[in-house]
Amino acid sequence: AQKITQTQPGMFVQEKEAVTLDCTYDTSDQSYGLFWYKQPSSGEMIFLIYQGSYDEQNATEGRYSLNFQKARKSANLVISASQLGDSAMYFCAMREGDFGNEKLTFGTGTRLTIIP
Amino acid sequence: DTGVSQDPRHKITKRGQNVTFRCDPISEHNRLYWYRQTLGQGPEFLTYFQNEAQLEKSRLLSDRFSAERPKGSFSTLEIQRTEQGDSAMYLCASSLTLGSNQETQYFGPGTRLLVL
Repeated sequence: AQKITQTQPGMFVQEKEAVTLDCTYDTSDQSYGLFWYKQPSSGEMIFLIYQGSYDEQNATEGRYSLNFQKARKSANLVISASQLGDSAMYFCAMREGDFGNEKLTFGTGTRLTIIP
Repeated sequence: DTGVSQDPRHKITKRGQNVTFRCDPISEHNRLYWYRQTLGQGPEFLTYFQNEAQLEKSRLLSDRFSAERPKGSFSTLEIQRTEQGDSAMYLCASSLTLGSNQETQYFGPGTRLLVL
């Protein structure tokens, strides 16, 4: 089974609108971390936001917020007031456990295109 | 610029040749990771170091691949006898040990390899 599932291969959104990028995950660990990264065409993975499995509040970082629904195992990224510079690939990733498992497992990504 | 740097950014080589990539992490970070990303996929974990010790290797890392981090600073990833299937983006990331799943990995711009 896929550990991280991103079901939207591509999305088109009008500039200044809000957009939600879906991410569901699969783990049996109680402790885990969820991350979102942005990858522009240049290739660099840019860290956006983190949510811990024990965090009771949804994470927010500027225009980015994470809609964390633990029972549904979903961690959707919400971008408010989208801008042309938001056009990029977006990856959801998970790190399982506290110790001994240091790698990130990534989804296949969603390509977001902002339309002027 | 104090981010993660990688060199070269692009490499074209012929099948059977050896290639070596370099990664310089963020200076105070003690952990360094290598990932591989093929077209249309998210990054896949290859290996990681804590200081100079290589602590985990993925099954993706065949015996043609070797990574080193001799002094716990920069790292090199060498691919011997390259094959066309090695064509991918090779991403390096670094982090500072927090002992929790909140530890964030910061990525470099990647080295894009094309094997002809």
